[in-house]
Formats: sequence, C-alpha cells, structure tokens
Amino acid sequence: QSVLTQPPSVSAAPGQKVTISCSGSNSNIGNNYVSWYQQFPGTAPKLLIYDNNKRPSGIPDRFSGSKSGTSATLGITGLQTGDEADYYCAAWDTSLSAGVFGGGTKVTVL
Amino acid sequence: EVQLLESGGGLVQPGGSLRLSCAASGFTFSSYAMTWVRQAPGKGLEWVAAIIGSGDSTYYADSVKGRVTISRDNSNNTLYLQMNSLRAEDTAVYFCAKKFDGSGWSKMYFDLWGRGTLVTVSS
Repeated sequence: QSVLTQPPSVSAAPGQKVTISCSGSNSNIGNNYVSWYQQFPGTAPKLLIYDNNKRPSGIPDRFSGSKSGTSATLGITGLQTGDEADYYCAAWDTSLSAGVFGGGTKVTVL
Repeated sequence: EVQLLESGGGLVQPGGSLRLSCAASGFTFSSYAMTWVRQAPGKGLEWVAAIIGSGDSTYYADSVKGRVTISRDNSNNTLYLQMNSLRAEDTAVYFCAKKFDGSGWSKMYFDLWGRGTLVTVSS
C-alpha cells in the first residue's frame, strides 16, 4: 500500500479533460513539493511536473499541477490518444526520511 | 550525450546478493544526488534509496533497509546498489535516476532516468 493515494484509473474521450488526485499527509505533500511522472509500458518514467505546478521544458501546457494542503492534482486537457499511460505522483516524506510514490493512475482515452 | 545506463541485473536465488551499477555521462555526476527506484512486474514505482552528491548521506526505504547499500564513485561517474539477502519480493526492474537540482530533499524530482535493469529473485 502506497503512502500517497491515487485512483487506479481515469478515463475520458479525446479532447476532454482528466484530473488525477494524489492524497498524502503533512509529512510528505503537506510540507514538501510534489512531482508527477508519466510512464509508458516498458519505458522509464518521465518528469512531467515539478515544484507542484512547474513544467520542464518540452512538456506541453496541456499538463498542469496544483497542490492544496495534503493533496495534489494533475490535470490533462485536450486529451490525446498519446496520453494513454500511467501517471505517478511523488514527494519526499520528512518523517520517513525517504521518497514516496503514489500507486499510479492509468489514463485511458475512450 | 546525457544518459544513465544500468547494468548488473539478472537471476539470483533467494538469500543471494547482487550489485547493480549505473554509469552516468554527459553531466557533472558529483554535483547531483542520485536515486534507485524499482518497479515489480505489473506494479507501480517504489522508491528504494538515495545518496547525495558527495556520498556522505544516504537514505533507504524501510522495505530494503539493512539489506541494501547505495554508494557512488564520483571519479568513475558510477552509482551502485549492493543488494543482499534478496527475497522474491525484490524482483523488479531497477531504475537509477538523477535528482533535478542541488536543492534539499524537500524538492525531490528526477529529471533523468536510465532504462532499467531487471532483477529476478527465484529458485
């Protein structure tokens, strides 16, 4: 069971928007920054969002992040078939002195 | 080219040992903290261990603490993960990754990942 909680799956039609939640606690999300990763089957994860809401160069602005209290959210607008992947949130946990990931959310484009 | 290349995975019996390596190139290796993240077959990502640029501080997940040692050789731009007393539940693809910048662990982001190396623990 992951320290950070994500829904197992979300889906929407092409062009629509999906949001993925990531719930934690004061020892991780509440007092540290959140990052999000995109992973396609058989490949390494790719940094999508850092500092809760910043995008590395090359990441389209269809991807956005936000944080409120002990929860964070990844949003994907203008959904494309190429967005079908697994998405993970991550943060440092100060109490554990360890990194923690969410369990991952599979995005399906209907 | 900026890249990370893992090696050392393979089939090992329960209770055995294995040392993974991660060769870094294209960036100033000693300036960045590094981490190992694993992914069991069909499962999600699990953070395993991390080490700061100098190698002076290390951090471990509870699931591997006491059985795993992370280390680095900055003169050879290589990260290591020594795994002992291996269990079936350690079976996974192990990724090494570079921390995004030199800030503290409050900002834990990994912007460069290797392709991973598969460790299978089975008799």
